[in-house]
Amino acid sequence: DAKTTQPTSMDCAEGRAANLPCNHSTISGNEYVYWYRQIHSQGPQYIIHGLKNNETNEMASLIITEDRKSSTLILPHATLRDTAVYYCIVRALNRGRKLIWGLGTSLAVNP
Amino acid sequence: NAGVMQNPRHLVRRRGQEARLRCSPMKGHSHVYWYRQLPEEGLKFMVYLQKENIIDESGMPKERFSAEFPKEGPSILRIQQVVRGDSAAYFCASSSFSGRLPIADTQYFGPGTRLTVL
Repeated sequence: DAKTTQPTSMDCAEGRAANLPCNHSTISGNEYVYWYRQIHSQGPQYIIHGLKNNETNEMASLIITEDRKSSTLILPHATLRDTAVYYCIVRALNRGRKLIWGLGTSLAVNP
Repeated sequence: NAGVMQNPRHLVRRRGQEARLRCSPMKGHSHVYWYRQLPEEGLKFMVYLQKENIIDESGMPKERFSAEFPKEGPSILRIQQVVRGDSAAYFCASSSFSGRLPIADTQYFGPGTRLTVL
């Protein structure tokens, strides 16, 4: 699976949009981009995923560049409860089902 | 709709004892995955199972660890003769696989079992 690169940490003011970048320059055409987050030591929480089109759900938006080499997760109005480690994972679904986790981005939402 | 359930949430064992971790997948899900997270590290894949079958165990340590997902009942991750290095959080995830392309079976995680080996 393609390797992803994320900043180690980011800060965001409460109520503002949090934009979390992810580089996946070696992504293949059949690989999806997944985002999860882990709040403190809880189980990872699925946020969103996409292939080539931008996606939006009740939690976030996912913007994937046209060349698919990078993406951005957007939390439109961050709250203190969004403080977590955010993981960007690229996954080739026809080569097994495991998720390969990096160290993610530690997002701190400040009051 | 209940999510993925894991029990116990916390488990304390002495060195040499056995640890049994249970995972009940979401309703309608027939695929189970186990991951381990050591302190201050990311999650590491251990094993992927479907009902009565181990599909991928490439992340399982060769000794002392085993997993099963019987036709009835929860999936079990079993660690025999635990050592201090087994202390970690063990997470289970489940998914439903449609079998259609493009395939995008999302894995949903349980709250984890925190194993402490004394």
